[in-house]
Amino acid sequence: EPEVTQTPSHQVTQMGQEVILRCVPISNHLYFYWYRQILGQKVEFLVSFYNNEISEKSEIFDDQFSVERPDGSNFTLKIRSTKLEDSAMYFCASSETRTGYNEQFFGPGTRLTVL
Amino acid sequence: QKEVEQNSGPLSVPEGAIASLNCTYSDRVSQSFFWYRQYSGKSPELIMSIYSNGDKEDGRFTAQLNKASQYVSLLIRDSQPSDSATYLCAVSGGYQKVTFGTGTKLQVIP
Repeated sequence: EPEVTQTPSHQVTQMGQEVILRCVPISNHLYFYWYRQILGQKVEFLVSFYNNEISEKSEIFDDQFSVERPDGSNFTLKIRSTKLEDSAMYFCASSETRTGYNEQFFGPGTRLTVL
Repeated sequence: QKEVEQNSGPLSVPEGAIASLNCTYSDRVSQSFFWYRQYSGKSPELIMSIYSNGDKEDGRFTAQLNKASQYVSLLIRDSQPSDSATYLCAVSGGYQKVTFGTGTKLQVIP
């Protein structure tokens, strides 16, 4: 069964460093998303991406964040200058339809630890 | 602020019983409703989706939607210890963003 994959599973970085989290969405899906979940808190939407551009972003997704689809399979989230409060699980998700029936399938996540 | 509200639990049920999980949402224009299961340290796993008022059954799971009351529920029949997890209610307004509740922790006691 097709699934979303993410690398790395765990990333440890120093405050102020740049990190890139990688995702391979399900192959026939057209819409891609990043969410994060701080330990003990709810899953929060960061950004959605379609047709090589951002279609929606939350207030969390400020100028230190960026997303890119560098090739036909990968979808990346870059955090330019990490902060302690960026420590969280980051989930990539994908879906094949946009309006209404927006079933999103999640990858296993990347645990980001900022020291 | 568009919210999805759930009782955090834990909800404890004996093995073989019916577990009933509830959720309310604030955005009346919401169109799609989902239940995700999340085991500790793992990612959300989609288990049910529902789009119209009424019931939708899939195996041991039944999702119920009442748009007038802005209420979504999930029933799990014949609960098993492996069902012990946090269940996330999630809502989409027809756009791509999905808004999650904080989740209800379910414990199935053998």
